[in-house]
Amino acid sequence: KAGVTQTPRYLIKTRGQQVTLSCSPISGHRSVSWYQQTPGQGLQFLFEYFSETQRNKGNFPGRFSGRQFSNSRSEMNVSTLELGDSALYLCASSGGELSYEQYFGPGTRLTVT
Amino acid sequence: DQQVKQNSPSLSVQEGRISILNCDYTNSMFDYFLWYKKYPAEGPTFLISISSIKDKNEDGRFTVFLNKSAKHLSLHIVPSQPGDSAVYFCAASASLYNFNKFYFGSGTKLNVKP
Repeated sequence: KAGVTQTPRYLIKTRGQQVTLSCSPISGHRSVSWYQQTPGQGLQFLFEYFSETQRNKGNFPGRFSGRQFSNSRSEMNVSTLELGDSALYLCASSGGELSYEQYFGPGTRLTVT
Repeated sequence: DQQVKQNSPSLSVQEGRISILNCDYTNSMFDYFLWYKKYPAEGPTFLISISSIKDKNEDGRFTVFLNKSAKHLSLHIVPSQPGDSAVYFCAASASLYNFNKFYFGSGTKLNVKP
C-alpha cells in the first residue's frame, strides 16, 4: 500500500502571497489531519477532515483553511503569508471513523521570505 | 497553550541500556495517548498507544506507562539500539470531545550510542 504523499516537498514564498499544499492519504483512509511543526513547538494541530467535513479545528487564524475532496485527498491553504508561517506542514491519514493510528506523510517545508 | 510537555529536549543512552522518555499533560480530559518516532526528513511514525483505562501497554521492546493521577506518561525502550536514535513525540487526545484532535509535545531527541 502506498503511504501518505504530500506535494510539493519544498516551497519558498514571499510575505503576502498565498500557498496551497496537497495531501493524498493512504488508499481507503477517510480522515486527514494537518499539523504545523516549528522548532521548539512540536506539532500543532491545524484541522482534521473526515468524509469531506471538517471535524476538528485547532487554534490557528482564519488565514489557514483546508478542504477534502470526495477521494479523500486534502488541500491546505494559507493566505497572506507571514514570516512566522515558515514551518514543516505535515498531514496524517487514518482509516475508519474511530481509528487513532495516524500515518504521516513526509511533510512540505514552507519558507516565507 | 502547551497542554502536553516533554521537558527533556534530548537524552543520550548507551546501546543495550534502558531509555526512558517522559511526557506530562495538563488536561484531565485526555484519555488517549500515543508515541511517535521521527527521523530527519521523514514524517512521524506511530510507535505505541495507551488508553486511560490502562496503566501499561507493551509492544516488543517498547512499553508505555500511564500515571493518570500524576498526569504523566513514559516510554521505556529496552534494550536501546542505535537505530532507535530519533526524535520521540508524545501526543494526547480527549477522544470523547475532539476525536483525532491530538496535542503533541515538543519532542525528545534520543541518541543511542554504540
